[in-house]
Amino acid sequence: SQQGEEDPQALSIQEGENATMNCSYKTSINNLQWYRQNSGRGLVHLILIRSNEREKHSGRLRVTLDTSKKSSSLLITASRAADTASYFCATDSGGGADGLTFGKGTHLIIQP
Amino acid sequence: EAGVTQSPTHLIKTRGQQATLRCSPISGHTSVYWYQQALGLGLQFLLWYDEGEERNRGNFPPRFSGRQFPNYSSELNVNALELEDSALYLCADRGEGTEKLFFGSGTQLSVL
Repeated sequence: SQQGEEDPQALSIQEGENATMNCSYKTSINNLQWYRQNSGRGLVHLILIRSNEREKHSGRLRVTLDTSKKSSSLLITASRAADTASYFCATDSGGGADGLTFGKGTHLIIQP
Repeated sequence: EAGVTQSPTHLIKTRGQQATLRCSPISGHTSVYWYQQALGLGLQFLLWYDEGEERNRGNFPPRFSGRQFPNYSSELNVNALELEDSALYLCADRGEGTEKLFFGSGTQLSVL
């Protein structure tokens, strides 16, 4: 079953603009993570935010978490053509039983 | 340090056949997760192995099975293949003390 649901499903912007993707989830979590997938290959971990954190930064990435609304957002600033990929949020409810629960992803296209 | 490796990259089978997919985690990592990524459905949790034992399985029929070997590499077997089994199968591991997953590049299974 899907825990996270990303919004929008697809996003196309011009190079240099900022891209914002949202994620909603249903149950309580220990942490929420964002991953990137290029061309249907393996996923690469981008950033992790814990349930007691509200905002986190890593380079051009900014993640926010609102546990009261069960939602998160990923902001990519000053986008580049190489940022074109699918982005997934994943929730960790602890225990490791099923690893992480992933959403369906947002497909981001950066137009040069 | 080598990452998570999967083989083969592509696998083409016909309906009713059996498929065997392989995964080697990062050296020293003992946990292996298998996910199925069908088109448009995001990642669905299949199986979790740790220390040679199956610890949990997702909502998949029994014809999806696997095992983990003493060196922690893992095998996913899919029997009596159906057309809807066509998907990207991803293997991931989780090192001790870390909450993020490291993914392999996946095996693209096509059932004709």
